[in-house]
Amino acid sequence: QKEVEQNSGPLSVPEGAIASLNCTYSDRGSQSFFWYRQYSGKSPELIMSIYSNGDKEDGRFTAQLNKASQYVSLLIRDSQPSDSATYLCAVLSGAGSYQLTFGKGTKLSVIP
Amino acid sequence: KAGVTQTPRYLIKTRGQQVTLSCSPISGHRSVSWYQQTPGQGLQFLFEYFSETQRNKGNFPGRFSGRQFSNSRSEMNVSTLELGDSALYLCASSLAPAGNNEKLFFGSGTQLSVL
Repeated sequence: QKEVEQNSGPLSVPEGAIASLNCTYSDRGSQSFFWYRQYSGKSPELIMSIYSNGDKEDGRFTAQLNKASQYVSLLIRDSQPSDSATYLCAVLSGAGSYQLTFGKGTKLSVIP
Repeated sequence: KAGVTQTPRYLIKTRGQQVTLSCSPISGHRSVSWYQQTPGQGLQFLFEYFSETQRNKGNFPGRFSGRQFSNSRSEMNVSTLELGDSALYLCASSLAPAGNNEKLFFGSGTQLSVL
């Protein structure tokens, strides 16, 4: 059973601070990693993907991957109230029979 | 370009009934995946279809089934509904199967309530 674990939160940060969201996964053979954002009452939308160890930056977002530790994180710099949402970590694994497994999500609240 | 369209938006059924949900992917997308979302379990993978073929299936009982048509539209069916089937059912489309690191585009979902 492939598992993806996230702290459920809520994680509260003041506006302008850095929000750090973490995710661990159980399948060492996992190949691709994604962060989706889901606003309350809305459907998930992809904000970042990362495939190799290290950091990947896109605007205020940085995804970090450490395959040895089976750990992936998302940093949001200069957090804004509009970043308040649930962030879902998703892991792609299963060579030949690929499946995208989601964590239960971390709820982020950015306080003005 | 129209997004992923799911119908109906809301459904209320009673235990033992069956239900069919529909998903129309973004034009040109040939892969459709279905997920069940509940507050307790989060997003759980049901199945993925590509070119009318089921490519993968999650850990759900056989009461959950699906199919994809030649125009890439997909339906999922749940027979003999149970109270625990109450959930938001999300459909996601992509150009190619998930194994190609494709970006998934989600529909608004069908909220199913089983009484």
